[in-house]
Amino acid sequence: GDSVTQMEGPVTLSEEAFLTINCTYTATGYPSLFWYVQYPGEGLQLLLKATKADDKGSNKGFEATYRKETTSFHLEKGSVQVSDSAVYFCALSGSARQLTFGSGTQLTVLP
Amino acid sequence: EADIYQTPRYLVIGTGKKITLECSQTMGHDKMYWYQQDPGMELHLIHYSYGVNSTEKGDLSSESTVSRIRTEHFPLTLESARPSHTSQYLCASSENGQRGETQYFGPGTRLLVL
Repeated sequence: GDSVTQMEGPVTLSEEAFLTINCTYTATGYPSLFWYVQYPGEGLQLLLKATKADDKGSNKGFEATYRKETTSFHLEKGSVQVSDSAVYFCALSGSARQLTFGSGTQLTVLP
Repeated sequence: EADIYQTPRYLVIGTGKKITLECSQTMGHDKMYWYQQDPGMELHLIHYSYGVNSTEKGDLSSESTVSRIRTEHFPLTLESARPSHTSQYLCASSENGQRGETQYFGPGTRLLVL
């Protein structure tokens, strides 16, 4: 079945540091890939997505590229802010059109 | 901004009580979902619906039940709450059938069963 493996946390960075959160997946066919973010006390919200190989999703300074050859969708940001502190979930949507989530990565950014 | 609402936001209740968690969306989405989020943050799909009068169990076995009588409303019921039901419950919705469709999440209900 479909699965998502996500870099374990927690991750603690200083403000303006570079962020990478690794995500790899296993799926049949050509899934769509997502990053969702969950701020404290809230539900999840879509951060970015990509629906085909080599697509780059981007939003709020975050980027991720759909790499079919390495089955990866790593999340990156060049300069994190305190307000980026949250839990980040990688997810895929396969042929069943349901989301399979990774286990989540807690990010804390210190001033 | 997503228009999906959950009530209550927080609930503390005793063992054996019947509870209903409410979820409503105003986007006209056909598909709706309930997830259970454990303290380790992992999300588990417990129920979903593809439209009115359609409900299915998800990947994680749950003692809860759901109904879908109206498109906008997808309540979750626990007939007899137990401490093992303590968790956060997230409701979501999406349009039907689109590749790469986004799921929109409500703010969640945090349940504590004593």
